[in-house]
Amino acid sequence: DAKTTQPPSMDCAEGRAANLPCNHSTISGNEYVYWYRQIHSQGPQYIIHGLKNNETNEMASLIITEDRKSSTLILPHATLRDTAVYYCIVRAQGGTSYGKLTFGQGTILTVHP
Amino acid sequence: DAGVIQSPRHEVTEMGQEVTLRCKPISGHDYLFWYRQTMMRGLELLIYFNNNVPIDDSGMPEDRFSAKMPNASFSTLKIQPSEPRDSAVYFCASSLRNTIYFGEGSWLTVV
Repeated sequence: DAKTTQPPSMDCAEGRAANLPCNHSTISGNEYVYWYRQIHSQGPQYIIHGLKNNETNEMASLIITEDRKSSTLILPHATLRDTAVYYCIVRAQGGTSYGKLTFGQGTILTVHP
Repeated sequence: DAGVIQSPRHEVTEMGQEVTLRCKPISGHDYLFWYRQTMMRGLELLIYFNNNVPIDDSGMPEDRFSAKMPNASFSTLKIQPSEPRDSAVYFCASSLRNTIYFGEGSWLTVV
């Protein structure tokens, strides 16, 4: 699976949009971009994933650049409960690595009042 | 759905003792994963199963660790004998197709 690069930490004011970037310049054509988050003392929580089109669900939006070398996770109205470590993961959907999620260091997002 | 269920949630044991962690995946899921998380190494994949068959155990640290999945609704991760450096949070996860769902973890402390 391709490696990803994320900033180690970010801050966001409550009620504002949080934009978390991820670089995955070596992504392959069959690899999806996944985002998970981990709130302290809990298991990682799935947020969203996409291949090349922008995606939106009840939690967040995912914007993937046209060349697919980077993406941005957007939390439209951050709350204090969104404070967590956010992981950007690139994952193949087939072949011998199917199923594996390889976690990096992630971005610590702190939402402040 | 109750999600992925792990037990025990917390365990403190003495060095040399056997530890068994248990996992019930989400019903209908055909993949099951065991991860370990420490401050030093982050989240590491230990082993994963597809349709109860181990597919990749290259992350299992050594022979003291073993995992089984006797049926589609149950898996165990066993450490025998346990050592202080095994202290970590152990997560079980399951998936059907694309999205992997994690349990709340088993916090293991070996003293």
